[in-house]
Amino acid sequence: DQQVKQNSPSLSVQEGRISILNCDYTNSMFDYFLWYKKYPAEGPTFLISISSIKDKNEDGRFTVFLNKSAKHLSLHIVPSQPGDSAVYFCAASLVYSGAGSYQLTFGKGTKLSVIP
Amino acid sequence: DSGVTQTPKHLITATGQRVTLRCSPRSGDLSVYWYQQSLDQGLQFLIQYYNGEERAKGNILERFSAQQFPDLHSELNLSSLELGDSALYFCASSVSGGSYEQYFGPGTRLTVT
Repeated sequence: DQQVKQNSPSLSVQEGRISILNCDYTNSMFDYFLWYKKYPAEGPTFLISISSIKDKNEDGRFTVFLNKSAKHLSLHIVPSQPGDSAVYFCAASLVYSGAGSYQLTFGKGTKLSVIP
Repeated sequence: DSGVTQTPKHLITATGQRVTLRCSPRSGDLSVYWYQQSLDQGLQFLIQYYNGEERAKGNILERFSAQQFPDLHSELNLSSLELGDSALYFCASSVSGGSYEQYFGPGTRLTVT
């Protein structure tokens, strides 16, 4: 049972255009969402996050939107650059009270290719 | 470079064997997490340690175990290996036991033949 789904395995975008990566989740208890970026032969690196109490968070060229009613989030990259070509993972977390542990549940990833 | 190191980078072994994967967290980080990424799968959370103690457990098989040592490095032990255990194993670290932002190492690729 996949609680975090990235339905598009790949996406190609022209340099300078907008890239939109989508993510859906099923567990309404998730309270924090993150995007990680992964280059080949490297571990994932944290990109941007959003709390469930917000609907938008922006950091430079990257903006994450959260639609709680639809259980959907998206990552917008504007403008897209060839260096953005990587696999992007959506992740969700919920805190286990008492233990204070934050488990991340990841999607399968979307491979973004930005074409010069 | 995230500051998290993992050794070895690659490991090839036979079914039924036992291996140990090692992780050193970023300087100052007390929490270590282990994840497994099988082919075409997302990262699956296995286990978390915080300052030497187990903090949370995910989908970790009984054949797998982990520990965190006083110097905060961690080891993931995989025994009675099966072909399906072939995967990338990532270690991540964070400052506290409750931190959303985790910093990942480069991973260990395990191949079971």
